[in-house]
Amino acid sequence: DIQLTQSPSSLSAYVGDRVTITCRASQSISDYLNWYQQKPGKAPNLLIHAASSLQSGVPSRFSGSGSGTDFTLTISSLQPEDSATYYCQQSYIALSFGGGTKVEI
Amino acid sequence: QITLKESGPTLVKPTQTLTLTCTFSGFSISTTGVGVGWIRQPPGKALEWLAVIYWDDDERYSPPLKSRLTITKDTSKNQVVLTMTNMDPVDTATYYCARRRGSTSWPFDYWGQGTLVTVSS
Repeated sequence: DIQLTQSPSSLSAYVGDRVTITCRASQSISDYLNWYQQKPGKAPNLLIHAASSLQSGVPSRFSGSGSGTDFTLTISSLQPEDSATYYCQQSYIALSFGGGTKVEI
Repeated sequence: QITLKESGPTLVKPTQTLTLTCTFSGFSISTTGVGVGWIRQPPGKALEWLAVIYWDDDERYSPPLKSRLTITKDTSKNQVVLTMTNMDPVDTATYYCARRRGSTSWPFDYWGQGTLVTVSS
C-alpha cells in the first residue's frame, strides 16, 4: 500500500498569505497525484490533477508541484473562502488519500 | 451537466449488509475512460477509498475491505451499486460516489453530495 503523509495537519494564516501544504508518498508515484478541497458538510472538490494541472474553474491562486514522492499545494494569496480541509490522493497503485490539512483563516 | 447522487439506508444494524446506489446523469459509464467509485468519510476523519468500476467492467477494491465489498453497474439505468457486508459501528460514515476521469492521474472530478450511514443496534 502507498501511504500519503500530509503536513501540517492544520494551519492558521491571514488573508493574503502564501500557504504551502506538503504531501509525501511512501514510494514514488510519478505525477499520479491529485488535490481536493473540502468544506464542512460538503463533498470534496477537485483542485489539481496530475500533480500540477489546474482543474477547470479553479482559481489560479491554487497551484501544485512535485513528482516522485514529494508534492506541494500552494495558495498564492489566501482568501476567506479558502478556509477548508485539503486532501492529496494518489492513483499510482490502487488509490489512497492523505490525512488532510485543515486551513483556518 | 454532470450530477451524481447517493441513495440507501441511513441506519443499518451490526452484521447487516449495506446496499448503496449511485445514480448519475450527464455522462455514460460505457464511455471509454470513465469510472465511478465510492469513497467514505467517518465523522471528523479523512477520506477513504472503497471501490471503483470502469467502462470495461474492470473492478478494483481497497485491499483491507475487498472481502466485504462488491461493486456493480447498470449502464441502462446510469447506476452503480455498492454492497458492503457485515457492517460494524466503525463503518459509520458519509459515503460518496464520484466519477473517475481517464487522464494521467485519474482524478475524481465530480462527486455526489454524500449520504450518512449510521451503524447501530
